[in-house]
Amino acid sequence: QSVLTQPPSVSAAPGQKVTISCSGSRYNIGNNYVSWFQQLPGTAPKLLIYDNNKRPSGIPDRFSGSKSGTSATLGITGLQTGDEADYYCGTWDTSLSAGVFGGGTKLTVL
Amino acid sequence: EVQLLESGEGLVQPGGSLRLSCEASGFTFSSYAMSWVRQAPGKGLEWVSAVNGDGGSTYYADSVKGRFTIFRDNSKNTLFLQMTSLRADDTAVYYCAKLRWGMTTVNMDYWGQGTLVTVSS
Repeated sequence: QSVLTQPPSVSAAPGQKVTISCSGSRYNIGNNYVSWFQQLPGTAPKLLIYDNNKRPSGIPDRFSGSKSGTSATLGITGLQTGDEADYYCGTWDTSLSAGVFGGGTKLTVL
Repeated sequence: EVQLLESGEGLVQPGGSLRLSCEASGFTFSSYAMSWVRQAPGKGLEWVSAVNGDGGSTYYADSVKGRFTIFRDNSKNTLFLQMTSLRADDTAVYYCAKLRWGMTTVNMDYWGQGTLVTVSS
């Protein structure tokens, strides 16, 4: 049981837009920055979004992040087959004094 | 170019110990906090531990507290995870990761390739 809640799977057609939600509490998302990671099969995770909505160098602007209250959202526009991957949200939990991740969301591009 | 190279992969019996290493290059190692994250087979990511730049401050997940120790040797640009009293549910790929800024955060901007730890009799 993950501290942060994500939908197990989402799907959309190529070229379309998809959003992935991440729900937490005031102890984690509510008071700390959220990051998002992409994990392609058999590879290490890759940072997509940090500080709620910032993109590291090299990450296309098709990827966006937002936060409101105790929830965060990852948006991906112009879906490509290469976007098929597992996506994880993560943040610090002040009550646990530990990092926490969501359970992950598998994106299928139909 | 930032590189993180883990080593220490192995098969260990329940109750045994293992030390993982992560050699860093391409950045000023002592200026950044580092973290370990693990992933059990077919499962999601689990945050394990973090250490600040000078090694003086550490945090642990409840699942490993008292059994795992994170430490670093800044003279050798190397991060370590000493694991003791290993259990079957510690079986996972362990990733070392560099934090983009701060320590009480989950903003890992570079990850190693991962090293597999298997706990089994």
